[in-house]
Amino acid sequence: GAVVSQHPSRVICKSGTSVKIECRSLDFQATTMFWYRQFPKKSLMLMATSNEGSKATYEQGVEKDKFLINHASLTLSTLTVTSAHPEDSSFYICSAHDPVAGNSYNEQFFGPGTRLTVL
Amino acid sequence: QQQVKQSPQSLIVQKGGIPIINCAYENTAFDYFPWYQQFPGKGPALLIAIRPDVSEKKEGRFTISFNKSAKQFSLHIMDSQPGDSATYFCAASSMDTDKLIFGTGTRLQVFP
Repeated sequence: GAVVSQHPSRVICKSGTSVKIECRSLDFQATTMFWYRQFPKKSLMLMATSNEGSKATYEQGVEKDKFLINHASLTLSTLTVTSAHPEDSSFYICSAHDPVAGNSYNEQFFGPGTRLTVL
Repeated sequence: QQQVKQSPQSLIVQKGGIPIINCAYENTAFDYFPWYQQFPGKGPALLIAIRPDVSEKKEGRFTISFNKSAKQFSLHIMDSQPGDSATYFCAASSMDTDKLIFGTGTRLQVFP
């Protein structure tokens, strides 16, 4: 159980276009989902916390208008990188908290990640 | 105070060795300490986690040792195998936040 999927796994786009990444919890309902960004050989950097039915909470320094997050249902959150530029190229990973599974209120299950390359 | 310091940055052991990765924290409100394993191009996978009410937890070949007074915790991998070669991240969280604070990661290489 507690499987999280992401789509697409890899995307290449031209500078100036927008890209949408989907994060789904496949076998549980996730009231909270998280979006991370990871640079090569670096740790995970939390971008925002997404709660179903409400606005996302962004970390300091993350541009809200650049990285649009929508959590429309208990199993789906989307991250849209608007007007992407080469510096937005990165590995984007989502995670979801399953309030039922596990024995920890903060246990997060991660998706496989999406590699974004902006040309 | 929200940081989690992780060491070493990289680690090389031979098959059968016992690599040890250490993490330290300052925030005494942290009460959940997971370890994640990440292979290149993949998302992190939860390995094992511990709460401060126990000093050690074992799951298969993975053991967490926790020292509450020193505010340190470590991951031991028994009988390490080449398939354990990956990057390992420690993390911490507290009841008043739903965020995980990640360490900087340790790249482990296990040679046959």
